[in-house]
Amino acid sequence: SQQGEEDPQALSIQEGENATMNCSYKTSINNLQWYRQNSGRGLVHLILIRSNEREKHSGRLRVTLDTSKKSSSLLITASRAADTASYFCATVAGNTPLVFGKGTRLSVIA
Amino acid sequence: EPEVTQTPSHQVTQMGQEVILRCVPISNHLYFYWYRQILGQKVEFLVSFYNNEISEKSEIFDDQFSVERPDGSNFTLKIRSTKLEDSAMYFCASSEGRGVTYEQYFGPGTRLTVT
Repeated sequence: SQQGEEDPQALSIQEGENATMNCSYKTSINNLQWYRQNSGRGLVHLILIRSNEREKHSGRLRVTLDTSKKSSSLLITASRAADTASYFCATVAGNTPLVFGKGTRLSVIA
Repeated sequence: EPEVTQTPSHQVTQMGQEVILRCVPISNHLYFYWYRQILGQKVEFLVSFYNNEISEKSEIFDDQFSVERPDGSNFTLKIRSTKLEDSAMYFCASSEGRGVTYEQYFGPGTRLTVT
């Protein structure tokens, strides 16, 4: 399976610190997407990185992709309490649907 | 900004009853999806839909499930005879296309509770 798996499972940081979450997957992919989910709510698309890209930025988010290691990282800089959520990576291979990992629960303490 | 909407936000039903979950995808999107998330578990793919037919489905999507696009805007998921294990959050998603550069946009979900 191409499942993405995030680590750590849970992360607790102080407001203003940076948060780094990692995702590993098993098969070749076309793209990898990161989503945020506030408790009991819907999935919000954060960023998509294609397999031929190595790094992408969006505001305070920075995503890297290393296809040789089959891994990606999501960095949130200068975290805020509002960033508290679960973060999921999801991979796409060919025309397959998104395959999600279990997510990282991020708590940002004010 | 366009968004995917879902109704109802919460549905409680008794085992054996039929439920219909509704979604309005983003208007210019062509691909539609249903996913589910059992509490505390991963988001799992159920089915994808394009050009008025199912393009892909998972093992979860058995004969108890069906999807329909009854008009130009709605996309529905029907569960014919609900089971306790169908209790989950159901997410609808849509995308403009498929492939390398197309994001899937998710609705806020419908929480289905089967008692």
